[in-house]
Amino acid sequence: NAGVMQNPRHLVRRRGQEARLRCSPMKGHSHVYWYRQLPEEGLKFMVYLQKENIIDESGMPKERFSAEFPKEGPSILRIQQVVRGDSAAYFCASSPDSGLEQFFGPGTRLTVL
Amino acid sequence: QKEVEQDPGPLSVPEGAIVSLNCTYSNSAFQYFMWYRQYSRKGPELLMYTYSSGNKEDGRFTAQVDKSSKYISLFIRDSQPSDSATYLCAMSDGGSQGNLIFGKGTKLSVKP
Repeated sequence: NAGVMQNPRHLVRRRGQEARLRCSPMKGHSHVYWYRQLPEEGLKFMVYLQKENIIDESGMPKERFSAEFPKEGPSILRIQQVVRGDSAAYFCASSPDSGLEQFFGPGTRLTVL
Repeated sequence: QKEVEQDPGPLSVPEGAIVSLNCTYSNSAFQYFMWYRQYSRKGPELLMYTYSSGNKEDGRFTAQVDKSSKYISLFIRDSQPSDSATYLCAMSDGGSQGNLIFGKGTKLSVKP
């Protein structure tokens, strides 16, 4: 059973470009969570989604960031007009239900030049 | 005051030592407590998951929760060099279901 998959693993963007991060949850998991980890900081919750629904986006910046989890395909975290402060590791986690046992992917490391 | 406090270390111990890792928290509504292990440039791996107060043991790992003191611990017995990693505590009140609050992590090094 494959774990949570994220791609790309590394992403380099110039300021002002768009970044798209993808997450495929574990088989049978319909709940997806996105977290951001800044250097020397802990993981910070961004958004919680179920298929076609955003359940909790309280940790998501109000501008430039959006997330979706369509009926078919991976969850996407989209960052428009990236700035240097967006450079971080972005982790996706999934769970089989609304429980709290979340299984993390390997992360996408975004570097904004 | 931050919601979850965790000493970042680094903590260095000899192989075979008992390791104690701790977190304190301020939100008395937290009921669910987890410990994750994160190797360098990898994703966090769930180690232990406990609900409310008490102890839970899994192999060389023991998790303790003291809700009255708002204090949680992870003990690693007979530590191995392969245990060298950053250990993250995480917790939730269960209300929003998705929102885990993480400590910054403690970096552990086990020397052979």
